[in-house]
Amino acid sequence: AQSVAQPEDQVNVAEGNPLTVKCTYSVSGNPYLFWYVQYPNRGLQFLLKYITGDNLVKGSYGFEAEFNKSQTSFHLKKPSALVSDSALYFCAVRESNSGGYQKVTFGTGTKLQVIP
Amino acid sequence: DAGVIQSPRHEVTEMGQEVTLRCKPISGHNSLFWYRQTMMRGLELLIYFNNNVPIDDSGMPEDRFSAKMPNASFSTLKIQPSEPRDSAVYFCASTLTGLEETQYFGPGTRLLVL
Repeated sequence: AQSVAQPEDQVNVAEGNPLTVKCTYSVSGNPYLFWYVQYPNRGLQFLLKYITGDNLVKGSYGFEAEFNKSQTSFHLKKPSALVSDSALYFCAVRESNSGGYQKVTFGTGTKLQVIP
Repeated sequence: DAGVIQSPRHEVTEMGQEVTLRCKPISGHNSLFWYRQTMMRGLELLIYFNNNVPIDDSGMPEDRFSAKMPNASFSTLKIQPSEPRDSAVYFCASTLTGLEETQYFGPGTRLLVL
């Protein structure tokens, strides 16, 4: 069975400092990996995804994530945090395949707090 | 495109009442998901439709929950009878399976069952 782990319930970072939100995954085959962000009282919004190709994926709002197959990780990063980045971040995984339904599994979420 | 539309945005009801949540997916998307989000259990997939057909309903909690998708532009999630433990935020999401894979979420319906 596939799974996603976000080991930190909350991450605090000072504005202007680099941020990292951690994610590790487990699938039996090759993964599709996603990051979503949720602002208060809103639905989840897509940030970026890894499907294939370059291990470094760039997404919205200056975020990026690196796919590391050997460590089964897909950590979310940003060089300089903004107060407006404060939100709940979800990592998600599904197994890649040539067709058919594959369920997406979401992590439990990490609350990012950027301190002015 | 207006994105995924959900109604109502908030619903307060009493235990035992029927609740119907509605969703309009993004035009052209062929897959629709219903999720439930609570503090205790996080984000749970309830049911997945592809081309209006339910493919995976393993996450539906019990017989009190039912979902339909009569056409490509409309889906409902019904709870009958509702219970206080059903209180949660219910999200609908849609995607174009096979090409896009990214799920687009609606704003959610916040349900409170008293």
